[in-house]
Amino acid sequence: EAGVVQSPRYKIIEKKQPVAFWCNPISGHNTLYWYRQNLGQGPELLIRYENEEAVDDSQLPKDRFSAERLKGVDSTLKIQPAELGDSAVYLCASSRPTGITEAFFGQGTRLTVV
Amino acid sequence: AQSVTQLDSQVPVFEEAPVELRCNYSSSVSVYLFWYVQYPNQGLQLLLKYLSGSTLVESINGFEAEFNKSQTSFHLRKPSVHISDTAEYFCAVWMDTDKLIFGTGTRLQVFP
Repeated sequence: EAGVVQSPRYKIIEKKQPVAFWCNPISGHNTLYWYRQNLGQGPELLIRYENEEAVDDSQLPKDRFSAERLKGVDSTLKIQPAELGDSAVYLCASSRPTGITEAFFGQGTRLTVV
Repeated sequence: AQSVTQLDSQVPVFEEAPVELRCNYSSSVSVYLFWYVQYPNQGLQLLLKYLSGSTLVESINGFEAEFNKSQTSFHLRKPSVHISDTAEYFCAVWMDTDKLIFGTGTRLQVFP
């Protein structure tokens, strides 16, 4: 079984530029999460999807961040425009739809904004 | 509200020594607790979890954690660590709103 796949692994951009991250969850996992992990910190949830519906986006900075999960499978997280403080690792995770269960994480995308 | 506290940001230890990584949680409802490990330049991997039943849970690589309701703790232990255990360890609690809340992490550094 393939794990959660994220791309790119690394991204360096100048501030004010746009950037997008892509995530392909494990097959059959209806729930998808985007987390942000700042250096030396634990992951913080940005948004959670149940199929194609964003059911919790309370922590997503909506002025510059957007996400979509068309067809309830792959997901894209976008930042426009990026700021220096957005430098972090962006993690995608997925889990089965029912009950309390394990979340499986991708390797993450390390974003550096210069 | 639920939160997770990992008091030790770094734990240095010599190989073959025992180790304990501390985790405390705050919750007013039933708790479901997890330990994840993150090796350098890799994603998070589940190490072990407590959902119900026995309060002592074990992983396949020798780690164990005990759910202590009275002390609101879920400390991670290993009787003898290896160099390969060097990693960042995150304690997490599953919130009622179906999301994982993570602690700030503990970096375990094992020295030869």
